[in-house]
Amino acid sequence: GDSVTQMEGPVTLSEEAFLTINCTYTATGYPSLFWYVQYPGEGLQLLLKATKADDKGSNKGFEATYRKETTSFHLEKGSVQVSDSAVYFCALSDTPNAGKSTFGDGTTLTVKP
Amino acid sequence: EAGVAQSPRYKIIEKRQSVAFWCNPISGHATLYWYQQILGQGPKLLIQFQNNGVVDDSQLPKDRFSAERLKGVDSTLKIQPAKLEDSAVYLCASSPNRGSSYEQYFGPGTRLTVT
Repeated sequence: GDSVTQMEGPVTLSEEAFLTINCTYTATGYPSLFWYVQYPGEGLQLLLKATKADDKGSNKGFEATYRKETTSFHLEKGSVQVSDSAVYFCALSDTPNAGKSTFGDGTTLTVKP
Repeated sequence: EAGVAQSPRYKIIEKRQSVAFWCNPISGHATLYWYQQILGQGPKLLIQFQNNGVVDDSQLPKDRFSAERLKGVDSTLKIQPAKLEDSAVYLCASSPNRGSSYEQYFGPGTRLTVT
């Protein structure tokens, strides 16, 4: 079946540091890929998405590129802020299979001032 | 636009008791998901509905869990009888199925503690 593997956390960075959170996936078809974020005390929310190979999703300074050849969707941000501290989840939806969804285990990011 | 609503927000029960969770998705969203999220793990899909029909329930423990979606709108998830390992946050999400992406909108979750 489908699977998503994220780099293990927690990740601790200083403010303005560069962020990369790795995500790789296994899927039989051509899934859509997502990053969701959960801020402290809040629910899960969509951060960005990409629906086909070489698409780049971006939002709030975060970016991720759908790499079919390496089955990856790494999350990056050039300069993190304290307010980016959260848990980040990589996920896929198997669009030919009515959007069956698979999530990674999440990576906790803490940004220190 | 109102978000996904869930109730109750918290529930504490003893093992072998039963419990039910309710979800009201965003208006017009055809797809509804129930997830179980154990502390420190990602959400695990329990069941997915497309309108009234079940798309996937392969990870639903059918001997104790059941779910239904009423008239393709609201949904309930029931556990009977509960076990200690059912302690988790139960998340409901809905998706508008725009284009081919199936992005999901999540409710606040119900935190279940089984003692």
